[in-house]
Amino acid sequence: EAQVTQNPRYLITVTGKKLTVTCSQNMNHEYMSWYRQDPGLGLRQIYYSMNVEVTDKGDVPEGYKVSRKEKRNFPLILESPSPNQTSLYFCASSLIPVQGGEQYFGPGTRLTVT
Amino acid sequence: QKEVEQNSGPLSVPEGAIASLNCTYSDRGSQSFFWYRQYSGKSPELIMSIYSNGDKEDGRFTAQLNKASQYVSLLIRDSQPSDSATYLCAAVSSGSARQLTFGSGTQLTVLP
Repeated sequence: EAQVTQNPRYLITVTGKKLTVTCSQNMNHEYMSWYRQDPGLGLRQIYYSMNVEVTDKGDVPEGYKVSRKEKRNFPLILESPSPNQTSLYFCASSLIPVQGGEQYFGPGTRLTVT
Repeated sequence: QKEVEQNSGPLSVPEGAIASLNCTYSDRGSQSFFWYRQYSGKSPELIMSIYSNGDKEDGRFTAQLNKASQYVSLLIRDSQPSDSATYLCAAVSSGSARQLTFGSGTQLTVLP
């Protein structure tokens, strides 16, 4: 089944404790992206990757890191989480860059930082 | 800051009616526009894309684009309770073919 998977689905952590949210797709997609979704603010892009070893900042990259060492994986790293990073996070992928391509979203990761 | 604005709603329509969802965008150079549907607690899924001025129809859904007015809309005909969801408008920014900017969404409820 073609899909984007994220782990964990739910995470409660404390301020400053490094964490990684994994994202994997099995569709051989070139493009991958991370979004966060907050009430009233919609989906905001954190980082995106056009291909292996190519990443770039989205609209809200502060406090996040990403890497793309393999085509299928695009982990999101929070080196020192803070409460303002409490949010619902989505990973997405598409065959070609956003223009003209359908984005497939993962199921989401709900993160709470206390 | 390039923006996509939507009426936050919520919008309620009776079953069988036409639901009209509206979106404006600030980036005059945007060329690609999308409507995503998001059920409560679920991830967004693409339902329509539109690139040219005019109407694009797909089943009960019609997307409309007016680039001169920087306006995108989604019409849902014969609305069903299963259409109850949040609808997200999105536009690809002209400065990059890689960034998709979303509106905050319009919550639609179709009343049986």
